[in-house]
Amino acid sequence: GNSVTQMEGPVTLSEEAFLTINCTYTATGYPSLFWYVQYPGEGLQLLLKATKADDKGSNKGFEATYRKETTSFHLEKGSVQVSDSAVYFCALSKTGRRALTFGSGTRLQVQP
Amino acid sequence: ETGVTQTPRHLVMGMTNKKSLKCEQHLGHNAMYWYKQSAKKPLELMFVYSLEERVENNSVPSRFSPECPNSSHLFLHLHTLQPEDSALYLCASSQGDGGASTDTQYFGPGTRLTVL
Repeated sequence: GNSVTQMEGPVTLSEEAFLTINCTYTATGYPSLFWYVQYPGEGLQLLLKATKADDKGSNKGFEATYRKETTSFHLEKGSVQVSDSAVYFCALSKTGRRALTFGSGTRLQVQP
Repeated sequence: ETGVTQTPRHLVMGMTNKKSLKCEQHLGHNAMYWYKQSAKKPLELMFVYSLEERVENNSVPSRFSPECPNSSHLFLHLHTLQPEDSALYLCASSQGDGGASTDTQYFGPGTRLTVL
């Protein structure tokens, strides 16, 4: 079946540090891949997405590239801010299956 | 209002109460979803409606009863819940019915439910 694996958290960084949150997936065919962010006490917000291999999604300084050869969709940001502190979820969707498959989430804490 | 809204944001209820959660989407989408987010568990899809027709029900107990009167509104009626039903209930919507991998789901802020 489909699955998404994210790195364990929490990830603690200082402001302006470089961020990488690893995400790998298992799925047949050609899923679409997403990153969602959940701020404390809030729902999920779509951060970025990619629908085919080698696509790069980007938003608010965050980027992720759909790598089919390594089945990965790692999230990166060059310089994090305290306001980026949140839980980040990697997810995939497959044609014919309405449920998104989510990873377990990675908590990011950015210290001033 | 923009995006997907949910009310109430917080709800505390006893096991014998009846309450309802409301979701409204302002995106002109055709499909709406209920998800459950429990501590230390992956998000679970509960129900999907496409053009007001229920198209997916993932073995959810009958104490949860969804209703979709039109494509913009979705309700989750709750009765005789158990303490283990305490969770964050998230509503989402998408343009398509979720059957295509490219359908993007947009989430509301959630209702934090506590069952005493």
